[in-house]
Amino acid sequence: SQQGEEDPQALSIQEGENATMNCSYKTSINNLQWYRQNSGRGLVHLILIRSNEREKHSGRLRVTLDTSKKSSSLLITASRAADTASYFCATDGGNTDKLIFGTGTRLQVFP
Amino acid sequence: EAGVAQSPRYKIIEKRQSVAFWCNPISGHATLYWYQQILGQGPKLLIQFQNNGVVDDSQLPKDRFSAERLKGVDSTLKIQPAKLEDSAVYLCASSFHRAYEQYFGPGTRLTVT
Repeated sequence: SQQGEEDPQALSIQEGENATMNCSYKTSINNLQWYRQNSGRGLVHLILIRSNEREKHSGRLRVTLDTSKKSSSLLITASRAADTASYFCATDGGNTDKLIFGTGTRLQVFP
Repeated sequence: EAGVAQSPRYKIIEKRQSVAFWCNPISGHATLYWYQQILGQGPKLLIQFQNNGVVDDSQLPKDRFSAERLKGVDSTLKIQPAKLEDSAVYLCASSFHRAYEQYFGPGTRLTVT
């Protein structure tokens, strides 16, 4: 079953621009995580935000969480060609710690 | 700190054959996960171990897939017999605790012909 759905499915931008991708989910959660996947480094954890948090930062990444709308967004500022990858949100089921991944957003950053 | 190790990296087999994948998690991580990732989709959890025990295997096709975790460390995932639709990347991940971030291995790309 699909818990998270990312939007857009694909995004192309120039280096230096900001990239925003969104995630919507269906059931209540304890936390939401964002992961990045590229061919070179596999799947890498980026950031975890708990249900009682509204915003979290890590370097050029900013994640927001709106539990009333069951949605989250990932903002990458001043993007680089190395940010080219697929980005997935993953949620637990609320009463379970099993992670359910969305379908991902494919980000292409052109030099 | 060494990451999650998986082998082999690639495997090509014919349908109805069997195959096994191996995973060595990060030292000290009690929780181990096996995921299946079909091209263009997000990873789907197959099975989750907490130390030696199975926490969740609700999406594991138990008629053909099996997994074990030896002494709470290494794990193997087996498919017997394989079907064409099993072609995917099989990812192993581990975490210190069930609710924490997960660390993924490089995966095994399986092609069933």
